[in-house]
Amino acid sequence: EVVMTQSPATLSVSPGERATLSCRASQSVSRNLAWYQQMPGQAPRLLIYDASTRATGIPARFSGSGSGTEFTLTISSLQSEDFAIYYCQQYNNWPPHTFGQGTKLEIK
Amino acid sequence: EVQLVQSGAEVKKPGATVKISCKVSGYTFIDYYIYWVQQAPGKGLEWMGLVHPEDGETVYAEKFQGRVTITADTSPDTTYMELSSLRSEDTAVYYCALTTTRNWFDPWGQGTLVTVSS
Repeated sequence: EVVMTQSPATLSVSPGERATLSCRASQSVSRNLAWYQQMPGQAPRLLIYDASTRATGIPARFSGSGSGTEFTLTISSLQSEDFAIYYCQQYNNWPPHTFGQGTKLEIK
Repeated sequence: EVQLVQSGAEVKKPGATVKISCKVSGYTFIDYYIYWVQQAPGKGLEWMGLVHPEDGETVYAEKFQGRVTITADTSPDTTYMELSSLRSEDTAVYYCALTTTRNWFDPWGQGTLVTVSS
Protein backbone atom coordinates (compact mmCIF):
# COMPACT_ATOMS: atom_id res chain seq x y z
CA GLU A 1 0.00 0.00 0.00
CA VAL A 2 1.28 3.47 -0.91
CA VAL A 3 1.38 5.70 2.15
CA MET A 4 0.75 9.40 1.53
CA THR A 5 2.13 11.89 4.06
CA GLN A 6 1.10 15.53 4.05
CA SER A 7 2.88 18.40 5.73
CA PRO A 8 2.37 20.48 7.67
CA ALA A 9 -0.68 19.22 9.55
CA THR A 10 -1.81 22.82 10.04
CA LEU A 11 -0.70 25.87 8.09
CA SER A 12 -1.51 29.42 9.24
CA VAL A 13 -1.44 32.01 6.48
CA SER A 14 -2.83 35.53 6.11
CA PRO A 15 -5.35 36.35 3.36
CA GLY A 16 -3.61 37.52 0.22
CA GLU A 17 -0.45 35.56 0.96
CA ARG A 18 0.82 32.40 -0.72
CA ALA A 19 0.26 28.95 0.76
CA THR A 20 2.39 25.93 -0.06
CA LEU A 21 1.20 22.45 0.94
CA SER A 22 3.30 19.30 0.57
CA CYS A 23 2.46 15.67 -0.09
CA ARG A 24 4.96 12.82 -0.10
CA ALA A 25 4.41 9.27 -1.34
CA SER A 26 6.14 6.22 0.16
CA GLN A 27 7.01 5.08 -3.36
CA SER A 28 6.85 6.67 -6.78
CA VAL A 29 3.34 7.40 -8.04
CA SER A 30 4.58 9.08 -11.24
CA ARG A 31 2.20 12.01 -11.78
CA ASN A 32 -0.87 10.06 -10.72
CA LEU A 33 -1.90 12.37 -7.94
CA ALA A 34 -4.98 14.45 -7.16
CA TRP A 35 -5.72 17.23 -4.67
CA TYR A 36 -9.06 17.86 -2.97
CA GLN A 37 -10.46 20.69 -0.86
CA GLN A 38 -12.90 19.99 1.95
CA MET A 39 -14.84 22.77 3.63
CA PRO A 40 -16.36 22.11 7.09
CA GLY A 41 -19.43 19.91 6.85
CA GLN A 42 -19.07 19.46 3.10
CA ALA A 43 -17.91 16.78 0.72
CA PRO A 44 -14.43 16.99 -0.77
CA ARG A 45 -14.08 18.85 -4.08
CA LEU A 46 -11.57 17.93 -6.77
CA LEU A 47 -9.01 20.68 -7.37
CA ILE A 48 -6.14 19.11 -9.29
CA TYR A 49 -5.53 15.81 -11.09
CA ASP A 50 -2.52 14.33 -12.86
CA ALA A 51 -0.43 16.37 -10.40
CA SER A 52 -0.89 19.70 -12.17
CA THR A 53 -4.14 19.84 -14.19
CA ARG A 54 -6.84 22.02 -12.68
CA ALA A 55 -10.31 20.53 -12.58
CA THR A 56 -13.19 22.31 -14.30
CA GLY A 57 -14.06 25.61 -12.64
CA ILE A 58 -11.05 25.72 -10.32
CA PRO A 59 -9.47 29.21 -10.12
CA ALA A 60 -6.02 29.78 -11.56
CA ARG A 61 -4.62 30.69 -8.12
CA PHE A 62 -4.55 26.93 -7.41
CA SER A 63 -1.60 25.12 -8.95
CA GLY A 64 -0.04 21.70 -8.50
CA SER A 65 3.44 20.45 -9.20
CA GLY A 66 5.72 17.49 -8.63
CA SER A 67 6.23 13.92 -9.73
CA GLY A 68 7.50 10.67 -8.31
CA THR A 69 7.27 11.00 -4.55
CA GLU A 70 7.15 14.76 -3.91
CA PHE A 71 4.20 16.98 -4.71
CA THR A 72 3.13 20.52 -3.92
CA LEU A 73 -0.16 22.40 -3.97
CA THR A 74 0.27 26.16 -4.14
CA ILE A 75 -2.45 28.74 -3.60
CA SER A 76 -1.00 31.98 -4.90
CA SER A 77 -3.13 34.59 -3.11
CA LEU A 78 -5.38 33.24 -0.40
CA GLN A 79 -9.02 34.19 -0.42
CA SER A 80 -11.33 33.78 2.58
CA GLU A 81 -13.05 30.82 0.92
CA ASP A 82 -9.75 28.92 0.60
CA PHE A 83 -9.41 28.19 4.31
CA ALA A 84 -10.24 24.50 4.47
CA ILE A 85 -8.65 21.06 4.71
CA TYR A 86 -6.70 19.79 1.71
CA TYR A 87 -6.06 16.14 0.86
CA CYS A 88 -3.81 14.50 -1.68
CA GLN A 89 -4.69 11.12 -3.23
CA GLN A 90 -2.61 8.73 -5.32
CA TYR A 91 -4.06 6.53 -8.03
CA ASN A 92 -0.89 4.98 -9.43
CA ASN A 93 -0.93 1.78 -7.38
CA TRP A 94 -4.34 0.58 -6.33
CA PRO A 95 -6.24 -1.00 -4.74
CA PRO A 96 -6.35 0.69 -2.45
CA HIS A 97 -6.57 4.31 -3.48
CA THR A 98 -4.84 6.14 -0.64
CA PHE A 99 -5.17 9.65 0.73
CA GLY A 100 -2.90 11.79 2.83
CA GLN A 101 -4.07 12.67 6.33
CA GLY A 102 -4.84 16.23 5.29
CA THR A 103 -3.47 19.74 5.82
CA LYS A 104 -5.68 22.25 7.59
CA LEU A 105 -5.22 25.73 6.14
CA GLU A 106 -6.25 28.31 8.71
CA ILE A 107 -6.36 32.08 8.86
CA LYS A 108 -3.39 33.70 10.55
CA GLU B 1 -24.56 18.90 -14.32
CA VAL B 2 -23.74 15.55 -12.76
CA GLN B 3 -25.09 15.15 -9.23
CA LEU B 4 -24.85 12.36 -6.70
CA VAL B 5 -27.56 12.32 -4.05
CA GLN B 6 -27.20 10.02 -1.08
CA SER B 7 -29.76 8.65 1.36
CA GLY B 8 -30.23 10.12 4.80
CA ALA B 9 -28.51 9.64 8.14
CA GLU B 10 -28.74 6.30 9.93
CA VAL B 11 -28.43 5.19 13.54
CA LYS B 12 -27.59 1.53 14.06
CA LYS B 13 -26.76 -0.76 16.95
CA PRO B 14 -23.49 -2.70 17.11
CA GLY B 15 -23.66 -5.86 15.04
CA ALA B 16 -26.31 -4.48 12.68
CA THR B 17 -26.08 -3.82 8.94
CA VAL B 18 -26.52 -0.48 7.18
CA LYS B 19 -27.31 0.08 3.51
CA ILE B 20 -26.77 3.51 1.94
CA SER B 21 -27.85 4.57 -1.52
CA CYS B 22 -26.31 6.97 -4.03
CA LYS B 23 -28.32 8.15 -7.03
CA VAL B 24 -26.60 9.59 -10.09
CA SER B 25 -28.36 12.22 -12.14
CA GLY B 26 -27.36 14.40 -15.08
CA TYR B 27 -24.96 11.83 -16.53
CA THR B 28 -26.01 10.34 -19.82
CA PHE B 29 -23.45 7.56 -20.11
CA ILE B 30 -23.44 4.31 -18.18
CA ASP B 31 -19.67 3.78 -18.40
CA TYR B 32 -18.67 5.22 -15.05
CA TYR B 33 -17.57 3.89 -11.68
CA ILE B 34 -18.90 4.75 -8.25
CA TYR B 35 -16.44 4.79 -5.38
CA TRP B 36 -17.24 4.78 -1.67
CA VAL B 37 -15.13 6.60 0.92
CA GLN B 38 -15.31 6.58 4.73
CA GLN B 39 -14.53 9.59 6.90
CA ALA B 40 -14.60 9.05 10.66
CA PRO B 41 -15.25 12.11 12.85
CA GLY B 42 -12.32 14.50 12.64
CA LYS B 43 -10.35 12.04 10.52
CA GLY B 44 -9.19 11.70 6.95
CA LEU B 45 -10.54 9.89 3.92
CA GLU B 46 -10.40 6.12 3.47
CA TRP B 47 -11.29 4.38 0.22
CA MET B 48 -13.65 1.43 0.68
CA GLY B 49 -14.32 0.12 -2.80
CA LEU B 50 -15.93 0.63 -6.16
CA VAL B 51 -18.62 -0.68 -8.45
CA HIS B 52 -18.87 -0.49 -12.24
CA PRO B 53 -22.62 -0.30 -12.87
CA GLU B 54 -22.30 -1.36 -16.51
CA ASP B 55 -21.11 -4.86 -15.68
CA GLY B 56 -21.34 -5.08 -11.88
CA GLU B 57 -17.59 -5.33 -11.37
CA THR B 58 -16.56 -4.60 -7.79
CA VAL B 59 -13.21 -4.01 -6.08
CA TYR B 60 -12.95 -3.71 -2.30
CA ALA B 61 -10.28 -2.40 0.01
CA GLU B 62 -8.72 -5.16 2.07
CA LYS B 63 -9.67 -3.39 5.30
CA PHE B 64 -13.37 -3.72 4.51
CA GLN B 65 -13.31 -7.01 2.59
CA GLY B 66 -15.90 -9.41 3.96
CA ARG B 67 -18.00 -6.69 5.58
CA VAL B 68 -18.78 -4.39 2.65
CA THR B 69 -20.96 -5.08 -0.37
CA ILE B 70 -21.35 -2.52 -3.15
CA THR B 71 -24.03 -3.03 -5.76
CA ALA B 72 -25.54 -1.09 -8.64
CA ASP B 73 -28.95 -0.79 -10.22
CA THR B 74 -28.64 0.83 -13.65
CA SER B 75 -32.30 1.68 -13.58
CA PRO B 76 -32.65 4.01 -11.74
CA ASP B 77 -28.88 4.77 -11.75
CA THR B 78 -28.46 4.02 -8.09
CA THR B 79 -25.64 2.30 -6.27
CA TYR B 80 -25.71 0.89 -2.77
CA MET B 81 -23.09 0.36 -0.10
CA GLU B 82 -23.90 -2.19 2.59
CA LEU B 83 -21.67 -2.50 5.66
CA SER B 84 -22.30 -5.35 8.07
CA SER B 85 -21.23 -6.31 11.60
CA LEU B 86 -21.18 -2.65 12.56
CA ARG B 87 -19.02 -1.51 15.46
CA SER B 88 -18.51 1.87 17.08
CA GLU B 89 -15.45 2.53 14.91
CA ASP B 90 -17.73 2.50 11.85
CA THR B 91 -19.36 5.73 13.01
CA ALA B 92 -18.49 8.00 10.11
CA VAL B 93 -19.69 9.96 7.14
CA TYR B 94 -19.79 7.79 4.04
CA TYR B 95 -19.38 9.43 0.64
CA CYS B 96 -19.99 8.14 -2.84
CA ALA B 97 -18.08 9.68 -5.74
CA LEU B 98 -18.11 9.23 -9.48
CA THR B 99 -15.18 8.56 -11.77
CA THR B 100 -14.91 7.78 -15.45
CA THR B 101 -11.18 7.11 -15.23
CA ARG B 102 -10.83 4.93 -12.10
CA ASN B 103 -8.39 7.60 -10.96
CA TRP B 104 -9.62 10.83 -9.38
CA PHE B 105 -13.07 11.26 -7.85
CA ASP B 106 -15.40 13.93 -9.18
CA PRO B 107 -18.10 14.78 -8.22
CA TRP B 108 -18.94 13.56 -4.73
CA GLY B 109 -22.24 12.94 -3.03
CA GLN B 110 -23.22 15.04 -0.03
CA GLY B 111 -22.33 12.30 2.44
CA THR B 112 -24.35 10.09 4.78
CA LEU B 113 -23.70 10.03 8.51
CA VAL B 114 -23.88 6.58 10.08
CA THR B 115 -23.86 6.47 13.86
CA VAL B 116 -23.24 3.14 15.58
CA SER B 117 -24.34 3.20 19.20
CA SER B 118 -25.97 0.90 21.67
